[in-house]
Amino acid sequence: EVQLLESGGGLVQPGGSLRISCAATGFTFSSYAMTWVRQAPGKGLEWVSAIRGGGSKTFYSDSVKGRFTISRDNSKNTVYLQMKGLRAEDTAVYFCAKNDDFWGSQDDALDFWGQGTMVTVS
Amino acid sequence: QSVLTQPPSASGTPGQRVTISCSGSSSTIGSNYVYWYQQVPGTTPKLLIYRNKQRPSGVPDRFSGSKSGTSASLAISGLRSDDDADYYCAAWDDSLSGFVFGTGTKVTVL
Repeated sequence: EVQLLESGGGLVQPGGSLRISCAATGFTFSSYAMTWVRQAPGKGLEWVSAIRGGGSKTFYSDSVKGRFTISRDNSKNTVYLQMKGLRAEDTAVYFCAKNDDFWGSQDDALDFWGQGTMVTVS
Repeated sequence: QSVLTQPPSASGTPGQRVTISCSGSSSTIGSNYVYWYQQVPGTTPKLLIYRNKQRPSGVPDRFSGSKSGTSASLAISGLRSDDDADYYCAAWDDSLSGFVFGTGTKVTVL
């Protein structure tokens, strides 16, 4: 059974940094791209970042490019999102999701999602 | 700012058919697959349709997806009370080199 468990969320001041994590079980982690999606309170879903299965290629939305860094440790079955220069508009629940393929690009569906971790910038 | 536009709401009575539209552009829906996700309030999103019209195992055939040009649609037939949820379309944006989600549609079962 696929399980994704996010952690590391919390309250941070504007301009601050935070690293959130997502621990995965139930599948061959290195064979799949992973994605972060966020949802501000009462708002819709926003794609944030993705990383290829091997970690060699990363993708970012314009709203976080240059401030956030996605990475993964395939030996620990964990994907990370390092967030710097945080702003009030980054306040959201951050979901980790598993892609259904290795590449992390246009042909990928997000077939399993974690429960999310709340990040509050205030 | 989402580049995929959906109606904010849709509704129907049990057993009815509801259709949700998703309008994009040549760089999104016009040249890439469309995906649909369902989010029951307070829960995590769930994949409903992938690659325009494919259903993951476990998703009933009451849900169907289609795409034409720069627009896509999700149809829910035989509406049930547990279909009461938010629905989001998504597609890759070639100009952004990333995915974009639609604005979301709240489906209410009356």
